[in-house]
Amino acid sequence: GAGVSQSPSNKVTEKGKDVELRCDPISGHTALYWYRQSLGQGLEFLIYFQGNSAPDKSGLPSDRFSAERTGGSVSTLTIQRTQQEDSAVYLCASSFGQGQEQFFGPGTRLTVL
Amino acid sequence: QKEVEQNSGPLSVPEGAIASLNCTYSDRGSQSFFWYRQYSGKSPELIMFIYSNGDKEDGRFTAQLNKASQYVSLLIRDSQPSDSATYLCAVNPPSGYSTLTFGKGTMLLVSP
Repeated sequence: GAGVSQSPSNKVTEKGKDVELRCDPISGHTALYWYRQSLGQGLEFLIYFQGNSAPDKSGLPSDRFSAERTGGSVSTLTIQRTQQEDSAVYLCASSFGQGQEQFFGPGTRLTVL
Repeated sequence: QKEVEQNSGPLSVPEGAIASLNCTYSDRGSQSFFWYRQYSGKSPELIMFIYSNGDKEDGRFTAQLNKASQYVSLLIRDSQPSDSATYLCAVNPPSGYSTLTFGKGTMLLVSP
């Protein structure tokens, strides 16, 4: 079956612009996660969804970051007024449930000029 | 505080050798453990998981878990240059945490 998909694969934007990143999880996976990975760094947890609710938003670095999930499936991560330090690869993962093995999408590489 | 520690490496082994990657974790109540492989410029790929003390083998890969000592390891037999990647250890902490805790990874270099 299809894996986790993300779009776009690459996004170049200018400082101050808003961007939307999309994640389509594996069908049937109720848990969805967003991470950020800067060059040469580890995974930075951003937000966790169980169904459509987000019980853990603790990793969002500022109020410029928000995310939603609709229909228990597709999720969108929005970054408002982008800054150069937002440049990173944004990874989405999904799993059948919390604590189970996570499967990652290919990521979106965001570059803020 | 939940922590997962890995040596950043690089761990260099010759082709055909056994590569041993280690991971320690701080949360004694952790229940399940995962190894991911991440090639440069790619996303992490799950290669093994283990829940019980002891060894679990899958092809050239063996995961070893020792809950009393709070470590988990990954052995790669007959290492190939294509195994060169960063290996991430991930731990499912006790209830109350949303996601797996990931280590920062160990870079493995297999030379032909």
